[in-house]
Amino acid sequence: GAVVSQHPSRVICKSGTSVKIECRSLDFQATTMFWYRQFPKKSLMLMATSNEGSKATYEQGVEKDKFLINHASLTLSTLTVTSAHPEDSSFYICSARWGQGYANTEAFFGQGTRLTVV
Amino acid sequence: AQKITQTQPGMFVQEKEAVTLDCTYDTSDPSYGLFWYKQPSSGEMIFLIYQGSYDQQNATEGRYSLNFQKARKSANLVISASQLGDSAMYFCAMREGSSGGSNYKLTFGKGTLLTVNP
Repeated sequence: GAVVSQHPSRVICKSGTSVKIECRSLDFQATTMFWYRQFPKKSLMLMATSNEGSKATYEQGVEKDKFLINHASLTLSTLTVTSAHPEDSSFYICSARWGQGYANTEAFFGQGTRLTVV
Repeated sequence: AQKITQTQPGMFVQEKEAVTLDCTYDTSDPSYGLFWYKQPSSGEMIFLIYQGSYDQQNATEGRYSLNFQKARKSANLVISASQLGDSAMYFCAMREGSSGGSNYKLTFGKGTLLTVNP
């Protein structure tokens, strides 16, 4: 399958600082990228959907100003957690797909980033 | 109502035996796709198998097969000849189609933790 690389895999930051997480599609052009959050032993919750060159679409209840998403190119999307607080500690994972419209292509996932805010 | 229901929080299976992980879904959209992912303790999401709502035959991928019962809205994953490395969380997910647009949101179930015993 296609390769999606997410960086960093782990990050610890101080409360009040911002953290940027990168999601790259290595061998395909990702027209759409998705950002999920996963709490321990819980399912994945979609945070936002981003299409290259346009603003991200956030799910209900997700703060746009806190979780900034940029999809500036077809191979890179970034999630910035601004003014992080301990409750933002979680596992963040991205996925990417290519193609437009309704297509039977599975979304490929990055390795995930475990964020700990102290 | 939950769109994806996985009723088994945990399952145990003996090595080399087969195991079925349950998944039921709820949608009124005639076009949809069903996915199974494996998430080992490292956190990455590994795509296993896909079933489209119009597919006539059950999907198979190596030791994985999907028992698709459309009328019952179930999409159970069958793992044959279990291996120790199969121990992981397994998530069922659904993508609902919408008039050929670029909507590709995956909705995940809560997951089943599979433990393969030697």
